[in-house]
Amino acid sequence: DAGVTQSPTHLIKTRGQQVTLRCSPKSGHDTVSWYQQALGQGPQFIFQYYEEEERQRGNFPDRFSGHQFPNYSSELNVNALLLGDSALYLCASSLAPRASGEETQYFGPGTRLLVL
Amino acid sequence: LAKTTQPISMDSYEGQEVNITCSHNNIATNDYITWYQQFPSQGPRFIIQGYKTKVTNEVASLFIPADRKSSTLSLPRVSLSDTAVYYCLVGDPFVYNQGGKLIFGQGTELSVKP
Repeated sequence: DAGVTQSPTHLIKTRGQQVTLRCSPKSGHDTVSWYQQALGQGPQFIFQYYEEEERQRGNFPDRFSGHQFPNYSSELNVNALLLGDSALYLCASSLAPRASGEETQYFGPGTRLLVL
Repeated sequence: LAKTTQPISMDSYEGQEVNITCSHNNIATNDYITWYQQFPSQGPRFIIQGYKTKVTNEVASLFIPADRKSSTLSLPRVSLSDTAVYYCLVGDPFVYNQGGKLIFGQGTELSVKP
């Protein structure tokens, strides 16, 4: 059973460019969340996708957008890259809870983005 | 969402038991407590989750007192490979307008020495 996979593992871009990161959730999961982790900081929530719609969004500008496909995989797009966008981008998948109770998000290995 | 406070760093030696305490004074009734482990340049890895009393799995134990205002992650007999950052998170997985998002703090950087 494959866990969460992300591609690419590393990426180098220059300021102003656009980037697309990809995520395949753990088998059986239908919800995908994206996080940005700057060096030395905890992951920061960007947004979450469920049923191909953005369900929740963190404090990130509109330059950050995403998409979820019918097979539950997801993409994170970042436009007009800034130096400050350099970070580890993490994808986490989970199964949307049907009732109050435990829910665990499983993280992928991340994509390391460097903006020059 | 309940805010958490945990030590920034801890040192230990191989074979010792390590206890990392997290404070969450404003924890809500439906909130669960979850701990993640993260190695450099890797995604966080789920360790353990609990609601009250004690939870144990093959990796760790989680102790939650009756008032649930704090919790303690216990790692038995740590090894060098347990050197990592440990995050304590508190939240209600189900509340729809939260979407089950996780709020990470700075975490506790555990250093295990030989």
